Amino acid sequence: KAGVTQTPRYLIKTRGQQVTLSCSPISGHRSVSWYQQTPGQGLQFLFEYFSETQRNKGNFPGRFSGRQFSNSRSEMNVSTLELGDSALYLCASSLNGDRVYGPEAFFGQGTRLTVV
Amino acid sequence: DAKTTQPTSMDCAEGRAANLPCNHSTISGNEYVYWYRQIHSQGPQYIIHGLKNNETNEMASLIITEDRKSSTLILPHATLRDTAVYYCIVSRNTGNQFYFGTGTSLTVIP
Repeated sequence: KAGVTQTPRYLIKTRGQQVTLSCSPISGHRSVSWYQQTPGQGLQFLFEYFSETQRNKGNFPGRFSGRQFSNSRSEMNVSTLELGDSALYLCASSLNGDRVYGPEAFFGQGTRLTVV
Repeated sequence: DAKTTQPTSMDCAEGRAANLPCNHSTISGNEYVYWYRQIHSQGPQYIIHGLKNNETNEMASLIITEDRKSSTLILPHATLRDTAVYYCIVSRNTGNQFYFGTGTSLTVIP
């Protein structure tokens, strides 16, 4: 089956701009979670969506937002970009989001965002 | 979830077995040991997991000590494509968030 698809793979934006990243989960998976990964902070949880509802949110400012559509595809948006937002953004999909570790949950390839 | 300790980095010669250790001395009875790897600038990939018995799949073997306080991931014949950061996670797997530590950066040398 097709894997988790994130688009775009690479993005360069200027400070102050906004950006939208997309994640298409595995077919049948209803939970999508988003992570920011940087060399200094490691993998940090942004938010999780299940059936179009945000169930959980990490400790990020309101500039970071997301949504999930009825087909489970999810988008995240970052407004007023800062240099520190440069990171690899990963999404993970799982069936119900209640047990994420193991062979039934998958990460996408990530979107590498560079803010200049 | 219990804390894990892994070496920061390791090297392994191509074709040899790579043995990656993980200490998890505070593991509780219902926590599993999971291993993931992340090749540079890609998403983490699940490798294997176990509770107390040794496990083997097409990617690797997992050896868990009898007291469950440590484990070793074994890549039997390392290739250059196995160069990655390897994460050992101990979890009851009841939440909806991944937590990864700093992992072990494995470099396979030709």
